[in-house]
Amino acid sequence: DVKVTQSSRYLVKRTGEKVFLECVQDMDHENMFWYRQDPGLGLRLIYFSYDVKMKEKGDIPEGYSVSREKKERFSLILESASTNQTSMYLCASSFSGARGETQYFGPGTRLLVL
Amino acid sequence: AQSVTQPDIHITVSEGASLELRCNYSYGATPYLFWYVQSPGQGLQLLLKYFSGDTLVQGIKGFEAEFKRSQSSFNLRKPSVHWSDAAEYFCAVGGNSGYSTLTFGKGTMLLVSP
Repeated sequence: DVKVTQSSRYLVKRTGEKVFLECVQDMDHENMFWYRQDPGLGLRLIYFSYDVKMKEKGDIPEGYSVSREKKERFSLILESASTNQTSMYLCASSFSGARGETQYFGPGTRLLVL
Repeated sequence: AQSVTQPDIHITVSEGASLELRCNYSYGATPYLFWYVQSPGQGLQLLLKYFSGDTLVQGIKGFEAEFKRSQSSFNLRKPSVHWSDAAEYFCAVGGNSGYSTLTFGKGTMLLVSP
């Protein structure tokens, strides 16, 4: 079974703090994704990576950065957390290919910024 | 640009009754279509997917979906709903970008009444 794990299920941070969210997958997937999920807005893509050290902006990259130093690990960084970044963050991974491949999701990290 | 519309924010169904969740997409070429389910506080689990071939797709937990190109729809169905089906359901569309990015609908919350 594909396993995508996220470092924390719940996080509480203060405004202005630097926040790291970690995601690890064990299926040797090339692609990894970070989404945020908000009520009534569904899932919105923040960043994705299709290879080590490669990254692409998604639909809402502002206020976020990412790091992919190893194939299995993809980190989301909030350089200076703000209250409007309070959300559920979901990581996903997939194989690369000419077809749309299935994305496998982690359990999510619920972040509260005070 | 691709997009997904799930017209129903909430649906309530009696246990044992049939279910249909609607999904309409906009995509310039042949789409790859997915349905995911999210139980409270959890990540997303793949129910089924359509890439090509038979337009009626069978998934896990007794769900099926039908791709109708003429209507740009990919509706999810189940003949008899169980209380454990109460969850949020997301339709997603992907394409041939090679990066496997998906665009998600805003979700439909399914409530099951006794």
